[in-house]
Amino acid sequence: EPEVTQTPSHQVTQMGQEVILRCVPISNHLYFYWYRQILGQKVEFLVSFYNNEISEKSEIFDDQFSVERPDGSNFTLKIRSTKLEDSAMYFCASRWTGKNTGELFFGEGSRLTVL
Amino acid sequence: AQRVTQPEKLLSVFKGAPVELKCNYSYSGSPELFWYVQYSRQRLQLLLRHISRESIKGFTADLNKGETSFHLKKPFAQEEDSAMYYCALSDMRFGAGTRLTVKP
Repeated sequence: EPEVTQTPSHQVTQMGQEVILRCVPISNHLYFYWYRQILGQKVEFLVSFYNNEISEKSEIFDDQFSVERPDGSNFTLKIRSTKLEDSAMYFCASRWTGKNTGELFFGEGSRLTVL
Repeated sequence: AQRVTQPEKLLSVFKGAPVELKCNYSYSGSPELFWYVQYSRQRLQLLLRHISRESIKGFTADLNKGETSFHLKKPFAQEEDSAMYYCALSDMRFGAGTRLTVKP
């Protein structure tokens, strides 16, 4: 069964460093998402991406964040200059169909620890 | 503003007892609503969506437009139902989640 895969599973970085989290969505999916979950808190929507551009983003997704689909398979989340409060679990998700229907398929997450 | 509210962060029941996880929404138009579940050490996965009116693992959820609710129910909880449950709107924003613990 196809799955969304994420790398790395855990990354430790120093404050101020750039981090890139990678995701490989399910191959025939068209809509891609990043979510964040700070330890003990809820899953927060960051950004959605379709047709090579951001379709929606939350207030969390400020200028420090960017997303890219550099090739036909990867979907990346870049944090330009990490802050302590960026420490969280980051989940990638994808779905094949349009905005208001369809199941989201999640990756297992990338845990980011900022020291 | 469009949002989903799950008023209970924690819910604990005994095995065999009925369980109801509450979800209320605020949405202009006709919403699509979902329940996602995250079992320990597993990824988030879809449990059910209101549009398909299905029962998954004994869980059901009915969309009540009058009360703007989409509560998740199961008549007899099992220990393996212990997990984190998230209600979500069609714009894929999640509620705060409810951690369900089913005690033996």
